[in-house]
Amino acid sequence: DAGVTQSPTHLIKTRGQQVTLRCSPKSGHDTVSWYQQALGQGPQFIFQYYEEEERQRGNFPDRFSGHQFPNYSSELNVNALLLGDSALYLCASSGDQTGGEQYFGPGTRLTVT
Amino acid sequence: KNQVEQSPQSLIILEGKNCTLQCNYTVSPFSNLRWYKQDTGRGPVSLTIMTFSENTKSNGRYTATLDADTKQSSLHITASQLSDSASYICPSESGNMLTFGGGTRLMVKP
Repeated sequence: DAGVTQSPTHLIKTRGQQVTLRCSPKSGHDTVSWYQQALGQGPQFIFQYYEEEERQRGNFPDRFSGHQFPNYSSELNVNALLLGDSALYLCASSGDQTGGEQYFGPGTRLTVT
Repeated sequence: KNQVEQSPQSLIILEGKNCTLQCNYTVSPFSNLRWYKQDTGRGPVSLTIMTFSENTKSNGRYTATLDADTKQSSLHITASQLSDSASYICPSESGNMLTFGGGTRLMVKP
């Protein structure tokens, strides 16, 4: 079992650009959550996807959007990038069999210049 | 609104020593209490999970406690090792959402 995987590992973008981050959940998990973690801070909840729908959303602007595919993998899209979007983006997967426990991937480090 | 406060913000201890990290919540109710270890630049890894009815849970050298009345939790690390150097975070769980505090950065020195 490969666990939760994310791609790319690192990414550098320019202000105003758009970015797409990808996540493959742990085998058997059907729920994917995305978090943003600024340097030295705890992760902040962005949103969660279940059955290809956004089930819950944190306090993030509409520039942050996502998608979940039939195979449960997910994408996080960020439009009109700002310098403040520079962070580690974490994906976590869970399922009924995990009792809600979320398993985190290694993250994607996004740098906006 | 769920809030999580952790203390201390950072801690330096010598290898082999014990330490205790604290987590305070302002949320009611919550379903589970978790402690995660996060190495720099990596995703968090679960250490312990406790239900509301449990007041202590151990995982090797890690022991978590929960006082549901005061909404305080602690993580005690015994006989620290250099590999324990990391950030420790304790999210509150409400529905499907985890709310994290800022974490405690632990450095274990030889």
